[in-house]
Amino acid sequence: DTAVSQTPKYLVTQMGNDKSIKCEQNLGHDTMYWYKQDSKKFLKIMFSYNNKELIINETVPNRFSPKSPDKAHLNLHINSLELGDSAVYFCASSPQSPYAGGYEQYFGPGTRLTVT
Amino acid sequence: GENVEQHPSTLSVQEGDSAVIKCTYSDSASNYFPWYKQELGKRPQLIIDIRSNVGEKKDQRIAVTLNKTAKHFSLHITETQPEDSAVYFCAAKLDFGNEKLTFGTGTRLTIIP
Repeated sequence: DTAVSQTPKYLVTQMGNDKSIKCEQNLGHDTMYWYKQDSKKFLKIMFSYNNKELIINETVPNRFSPKSPDKAHLNLHINSLELGDSAVYFCASSPQSPYAGGYEQYFGPGTRLTVT
Repeated sequence: GENVEQHPSTLSVQEGDSAVIKCTYSDSASNYFPWYKQELGKRPQLIIDIRSNVGEKKDQRIAVTLNKTAKHFSLHITETQPEDSAVYFCAAKLDFGNEKLTFGTGTRLTIIP
């Protein structure tokens, strides 16, 4: 069974378009994240949600808007896409406390976004 | 905030030799240090982690050491095999609540057969 899944796996779109990436986890975790991995492989956190509540919001342009309809889902909507948004976006989830299994973050397979 | 530096950025070793990757962190309050492995085109996966109440942890061919005073930690891989080729990330966080995990810049390890 897939623990953390993302759709789509690949996304090619033109500048100025709006797109969404969906993420779902079936691990029962309370916390979910969005990371951006650029061409140099740097992994940077963008957002974190705990039980549907936003708890981490790094300095990300407000064109990026996460939404968590329930604690198993965290979606990412991107408005007015720019060339610099091209990257691999990873969703991840983790238990809330070390008593619930430690802080291992389980990553999804990634979504490769290409903006042309 | 926390800043994690990782060296080297690339590392090539002969199969069977050992590989060492080093990281330093800036926030002395950080007390949880995981290492993630990312194979080409795949997702990052946790391979080992250490908390600040221990100085060393080992799991088969991989080990992590932590020096809290110097604020650095290292990953050691012995008897390297071709399947060890990947990008390795160190990370650090305060082991409390929902503090964020700060990743190092990654080390691309290549095992030469």
